Amino acid sequence: ETGVTQSPTHLIKTRGQQVTLRCSSQSGHNTVSWYQQALGQGPQFIFQYYREEENGRGNFPPRFSGLQFPNYSSELNVNALELDDSALYLCASELTGGTDTQYFGPGTRLTVL
Amino acid sequence: QKEVEQNSGPLSVPEGAIASLNCTYSDRGSQSFFWYRQYSGKSPELIMSIYSNGDKEDGRFTAQLNKASQYVSLLIRDSQPSDSATYLCAVPLGGSYIPTFGRGTSLIVHP
Repeated sequence: ETGVTQSPTHLIKTRGQQVTLRCSSQSGHNTVSWYQQALGQGPQFIFQYYREEENGRGNFPPRFSGLQFPNYSSELNVNALELDDSALYLCASELTGGTDTQYFGPGTRLTVL
Repeated sequence: QKEVEQNSGPLSVPEGAIASLNCTYSDRGSQSFFWYRQYSGKSPELIMSIYSNGDKEDGRFTAQLNKASQYVSLLIRDSQPSDSATYLCAVPLGGSYIPTFGRGTSLIVHP
């Protein structure tokens, strides 16, 4: 157990809809990163938040957005869902960023029909 | 192009054998290297990190790093069926602190 939780576990949406995924980090972990993992691929970095500010972003369009809250929880929002958004979405928390160890949550499996 | 490359496998080894997993990376300046294990349908779990050239051992696992050749490997001794999983190599590239993941190597340990 990493102490990182995500909800929901599974989600089915249709193309064009919007979705919000949630993550609760370990207490005291100021940094959270979100990843998208398509089937058969490694996790792809979406963005990172540090103390409620975006601290880095991967090659994802603006319809992927996020928030981090003072209580160590965070959200990933995806607008205008596309079929290719179907993937496992992972959040990972760490103490301060840099070379700290990342602790992954169990993930949310999103299916877009 | 910033890349972390792994053979997708599957790599099949008999129980008790040594499994050798390899990873190459594109950035000569990378300083930290991570191996994650991911069981099917589960999230990645960090099993080894290495920062210096040479070998680092932790139980049945040994990470080997050669910065000059830009590769990092993971050896699993006395492989067990429970080691069957996908092994992900992750390396921060291009001065970033965010790790870039390889696509992973599927390991199958058969009894």
